Amino acid sequence: GAGVSQSPSNKVTEKGKDVELRCDPISGHTALYWYRQSLGQGLEFLIYFQGNSAPDKSGLPSDRFSAERTGGSVSTLTIQRTQQEDSAVYLCASSLGSDIYTFGSGTRLTVV
Amino acid sequence: SQQGEEDPQALSIQEGENATMNCSYKTSINNLQWYRQNSGRGLVHLILIRSNEREKHSGRLRVTLDTSKKSSSLLITASRAADTASYFCATRLNQGAQKLVFGQGTRLTINP
Repeated sequence: GAGVSQSPSNKVTEKGKDVELRCDPISGHTALYWYRQSLGQGLEFLIYFQGNSAPDKSGLPSDRFSAERTGGSVSTLTIQRTQQEDSAVYLCASSLGSDIYTFGSGTRLTVV
Repeated sequence: SQQGEEDPQALSIQEGENATMNCSYKTSINNLQWYRQNSGRGLVHLILIRSNEREKHSGRLRVTLDTSKKSSSLLITASRAADTASYFCATRLNQGAQKLVFGQGTRLTINP
């Protein structure tokens, strides 16, 4: 596609439920990144995929968080047993072997 | 403190004035980037300055880099209401790392 697409744009879920966030990167971009941004804060790195290499999961805050990237394209970030502190905007970005990222519009997750 | 810290945290100026934001970082870098974020959603890449460059211009944007002080500044000249946004600098922690680390951002408000 023309840009990075994220869905849903907003998600309200009950505490304890699982959620899946989707990211569709720019076609041909080999690198895909997930960040989290709490209200009024900076971006917190979560996970990074590069081609067929093992992902860099060093930013995942707990084992409730996981992500996969199927076929080197679409990525899904899964949060199990959501907690209120998981409420944030989840941003996905992709890049083609350079430092310049293209971001999606994000998913605003609210855990109630 | 984090790699990439912006200063000030918030800046409010009148339309037509110039806005200057600063970023400090800790480690050696290949390049430094500035991004803009409107309404807490996706970030948009503005400009990249390489470590061997001291100044770069793009339209009303002027970026400087002082590698001896590990600092960069972003100047927006003749500000407009549409420049109201948060501005983030981004670097990689070290030259081998693949992910960008973002600062906490400067919230810029342009008053009409």
